[in-house]
Amino acid sequence: QVQLVESGGGLVKPGGSLRLSCAASGFTFSDYYMSWIRQAPGKGLEWVSYISSSGSTIYYADSVKGRFTISRDNAKNSLYLQMNSLRAEDTAVYYCARGGQQLAPFDYWGQGTLVTVSS
Amino acid sequence: SYVLTQPPSVSVAPGKTARITCGGNNIGSKSVHWYQQKPGQAPVLVIYYDSDRPSGIPERFSGSNSGNTATLTISRVEAGDEADYYCQVWDSSSDPVVFGGGTKLTVL
Repeated sequence: QVQLVESGGGLVKPGGSLRLSCAASGFTFSDYYMSWIRQAPGKGLEWVSYISSSGSTIYYADSVKGRFTISRDNAKNSLYLQMNSLRAEDTAVYYCARGGQQLAPFDYWGQGTLVTVSS
Repeated sequence: SYVLTQPPSVSVAPGKTARITCGGNNIGSKSVHWYQQKPGQAPVLVIYYDSDRPSGIPERFSGSNSGNTATLTISRVEAGDEADYYCQVWDSSSDPVVFGGGTKLTVL
């Protein structure tokens, strides 16, 4: 069965950095686009970034462009999100999700990892 | 950027039909996906491409999309359907993935 397990969340000061990881299993990781989607406490869903199956196509939300970097290692079945220059408004649960190809849904989601940006 | 508008809340009695709307400019020309999120859990895809159901999702869940409104319909509502529901589309604007603000379904 498809499993997505995020890790790397935690408490970080404003201006700091954090790297999230997502370990995938139960499907051929290298065949799928992957995405990061976040949810601030008590708020709705916000898409953050997607990466194509090969890693050649990447897109970011305007809110994180220039600060976040998505990447993947198909040999390790892993997805990453490097987050720099973190702000209080980046505080959220970050979900790894399968999907990101144009028009397609996000059909599987991980359980999420909480990132808290606070001094 | 493209905006999806959902009612903040919908209430329904058990056994009745719940309809959750998602409004957007000419949304009928787009493909709409719906997600269910129960408290403390990750979202789950319940309807994709307007009206298709993933395996494991009850037939009580259905979707439609026309004009400026997409609708998620839940028939014979059960207590276990109580959750937040989000619609989502792809758009050609600066942020290509757009989510609605979410609707909290309360089963009375």
